Amino acid sequence: LAKTTQPISMDSYEGQEVNITCSHNNIATNDYITWYQQFPSQGPRFIIQGYKTKVTNEVASLFIPADRKSSTLSLPRVSLSDTAVYYCLGGSSNTGKLIFGQGTTLQVKP
Amino acid sequence: KAGVTQTPRYLIKTRGQQVTLSCSPISGHRSVSWYQQTPGQGLQFLFEYFSETQRNKGNFPGRFSGRQFSNSRSEMNVSTLELGDSALYLCASSLKGQDDEQYFGPGTRLTVT
Repeated sequence: LAKTTQPISMDSYEGQEVNITCSHNNIATNDYITWYQQFPSQGPRFIIQGYKTKVTNEVASLFIPADRKSSTLSLPRVSLSDTAVYYCLGGSSNTGKLIFGQGTTLQVKP
Repeated sequence: KAGVTQTPRYLIKTRGQQVTLSCSPISGHRSVSWYQQTPGQGLQFLFEYFSETQRNKGNFPGRFSGRQFSNSRSEMNVSTLELGDSALYLCASSLKGQDDEQYFGPGTRLTVT
């Protein structure tokens, strides 16, 4: 049974780099790995997506090892406004199984 | 461009009743997915519609159903409501499907009493 696992919570301070790792048990060959951010009373918002190796955009980097059984979201120099819940997602419509992790609550302190 | 809209935003129903939730996707998006979010179970996939056809379905009972119209707007229906159906129901639209960047609406908060 495919499962996506991530830490429940993390604390950080402003200006630090934060890395959140997710494990993707039994991720299928065609599945992408996606990360979303959610603030209270809002729907999740897309952060970044990748298939393998490293992907970088203006807000984050995503590292995926060769075996693709895990992924790491890297947020450089976090600020208070990055306090949110971060979800990893492993799965695609090809498999018909879209599996979110339980979410990691990131608390950024001043 | 306008984002994903969901109506109503809040709903209170009694056990045994049925409910219909509505989702208007971003213009041009043909895929609409529905999710249930609860504190205990997190984000769980309900189903995905693409061009009026259900393309994928999660592990929910048959009381949960949906449809998509020719203008890509989608509705979700839950019949014979149970207390455990209380949740935030989110819809998300995308151009190609679930493995594409999804844009989520603000959700409908359903409370079953």
